[in-house]
Amino acid sequence: GENVEQHPSTLSVQEGDSAVIKCTYSDSASNYFPWYKQELGKRPQLIIDIRSNVGEKKDQRIAVTLNKTAKHFSLHITETQPEDSAVYFCAATLDPSYNFGNEKLTFGTGTRLTIIP
Amino acid sequence: NAGVTQTPKFRILKIGQSMTLQCTQDMNHNYMYWYRQDPGMGLKLIYYSVGAGITDKGEVPNGYNVSRSTTEDFPLRLELAAPSQTSVYFCATTQRTNQQPQHFGDGTRLSIL
Repeated sequence: GENVEQHPSTLSVQEGDSAVIKCTYSDSASNYFPWYKQELGKRPQLIIDIRSNVGEKKDQRIAVTLNKTAKHFSLHITETQPEDSAVYFCAATLDPSYNFGNEKLTFGTGTRLTIIP
Repeated sequence: NAGVTQTPKFRILKIGQSMTLQCTQDMNHNYMYWYRQDPGMGLKLIYYSVGAGITDKGEVPNGYNVSRSTTEDFPLRLELAAPSQTSVYFCATTQRTNQQPQHFGDGTRLSIL
């Protein structure tokens, strides 16, 4: 099955600086890579996702890059703000046409991001 | 449109008791998932369902059971509660396939004492 590794486990950055979180996946058949943000005591919420037919996607201060050859993808947050403090999870899922019956999402272990005012 | 509703929000159980965590969605989503999240940890998949009448095991199914008799409801049953099942339980849904964003409920915080 798919295995997703996420680094770092904790990250502290000064407000206004950039933050980068990296994930690697094991199965080359994975083709959908979402990122979730979880604030303390709250539910995870999708912030951005990318599919394997594109290399980069951007939404305001957030961007995700994907390197299929190296099997890794990264979350980039620019001009960080205090409200960006949260735990971020990457995830990967296999194309169901290759893995019928394996209809699930594999999550990374999370990165606790702290923005220092 | 409430999205994904989980009940109860909090519960304390004694060792050996049983209970059902409820998850209901009004988005007509086919795929539903149950995760557990231990303190400071990531999400572990317990069970999932790709449609009414179809369920499958995830990463940590032992001690749990599920059923999916309707599109809307996906209850999670704990039999013989153990302290190791103390966790926050999240239900999530996706519309048609695993290739779409998951919508999470607010979670059920469960303590086994």
